[in-house]
Amino acid sequence: GQQLNQSPQSMFIQEGEDVSMNCTSSSIFNTWLWYKQDPGEGPVLLIALYKAGELTSNGRLTAQFGITRKDSFLNISASIPSDVGIYFCAGSNFGNEKLTFGTGTRLTIIP
Amino acid sequence: ETGVTQSPTHLIKTRGQQVTLRCSSQSGHNTVSWYQQALGQGPQFIFQYYREEENGRGNFPPRFSGLQFPNYSSELNVNALELDDSALYLCASSLGIRGGGTGELFFGEGSRLTVL
Repeated sequence: GQQLNQSPQSMFIQEGEDVSMNCTSSSIFNTWLWYKQDPGEGPVLLIALYKAGELTSNGRLTAQFGITRKDSFLNISASIPSDVGIYFCAGSNFGNEKLTFGTGTRLTIIP
Repeated sequence: ETGVTQSPTHLIKTRGQQVTLRCSSQSGHNTVSWYQQALGQGPQFIFQYYREEENGRGNFPPRFSGLQFPNYSSELNVNALELDDSALYLCASSLGIRGGGTGELFFGEGSRLTVL
């Protein structure tokens, strides 16, 4: 099935660094969401975006809905150990709640 | 914690067998979606149930079937298991509105199925 392209595939950073990741699609979405998944658990919703160009923050997380509606970006400022995990973007369209997920970005914090 | 519970958490089956996975949705939610997540990949949409009716299906064969009960809990059934069915099966609940909701899904911790 279709998956959105996320980059980078993995990141190795030091605690306190800022993180940026993005997600691109060949088709338009009306809603973009970012989820985080820890080992052995289901994805947890971080941020939801509903309007092209929208910039939304949730604590140290900031996400943007690209103006073309084919991409989205997630930034994490001042990373902490609990930020470790896999981040997934997901897109959906009005009229259904079927989510198309990205390939994931694995974030690791180096001691 | 999302309030979405799944059972069993882990199970092992052999090829050709059948499996039933169960999900209790978050209180107040009327929509349940099922996703398959293979190792190292993002979740893939299987199907969705809204008020006991199937409301969309992904690219999965008919041997994947589901059910939603009046209390909005749900089951996923897979017949004639194949090795490639080994995956984490995720249930997600949401407050859906006919014609679409917010798209915000709340996931359970999943049922990890291993097919030998």
